[in-house]
Amino acid sequence: KAGVTQTPRYLIKTRGQQVTLSCSPISGHRSVSWYQQTPGQGLQFLFEYFSETQRNKGNFPGRFSGRQFSNSRSEMNVSTLELGDSALYLCASSLAGQNAGGTRGSRYGANVLTFGAGSRLTVL
Amino acid sequence: QKEVEQDPGPLSVPEGAIVSLNCTYSNSAFQYFMWYRQYSRKGPELLMYTYSSGNKEDGRFTAQVDKSSKYISLFIRDSQPSDSATYLCAMKSGGSNYKLTFGKGTLLTVNP
Repeated sequence: KAGVTQTPRYLIKTRGQQVTLSCSPISGHRSVSWYQQTPGQGLQFLFEYFSETQRNKGNFPGRFSGRQFSNSRSEMNVSTLELGDSALYLCASSLAGQNAGGTRGSRYGANVLTFGAGSRLTVL
Repeated sequence: QKEVEQDPGPLSVPEGAIVSLNCTYSNSAFQYFMWYRQYSRKGPELLMYTYSSGNKEDGRFTAQVDKSSKYISLFIRDSQPSDSATYLCAMKSGGSNYKLTFGKGTLLTVNP
C-alpha cells in the first residue's frame, strides 16, 4: 500500500514569494491534514480537508491556504512568504469521517494519521 | 499553559536500557492518545494508539495513560540504537474535530 507522497521534498524561496506544496494521500483516504513543524513550536495544525471541504482550521494567518481535489489530492499555498515560514510542512491522510465509530485501535483506524516525509521550505 | 507539555530532552541512554518518555496535558476533552516516532528527515510514524486509561503493550513498547492525572507515558524496553529518534506524543478530543495536538517531541539517542 503506497504511503503519503509529498512534493517537492525541498525548496528555497525568498521573502515575498509564494509557494505551493502538493500531497497525495493513501489510496482510499479522503481526509488530508496539513501541519507545520518548526524547532521552536513543534507540530502545529494548519487545516484539514475532507471530500474537497475544509473541515477544521488552525490558528494561522490567511496567507496559508489549501484545497483538496476530487481525487483527494491536496495542495497548500503560502503567499507573501516571511522568514518565519521556514519549516517542514507535513501532510497526513486518514480515514477520519469515513468510520463513524472512531474507536478502533487498529493502525489505520479513523483517528490515526499517516504522515508523508514532508516538504522542507527555506525562506531567505 | 500549553495544552500538551513534553520534555524535549535530549535523552541519551545505553543500549538495553529502559526508556521512559512522558507528556502532560491540560485539556480534559482529549480522549485519544498517540505516540509517534520521527527519524531525521522523515515524517512521524505511528507507534502506539490508545483511547482509555491503562496500559497497552506492543512488543518492546508500552503506552500508559492516566486520565485522572492527565499524564501519558511511553516505555521502551531493551532499547536499541535503531530507536534513536524524536518521540512525539499526540492527542485528540472526541467528536468530529480531527485535529491532533502534539507535544514538541523528545530527542532520544541510544548508544551502542
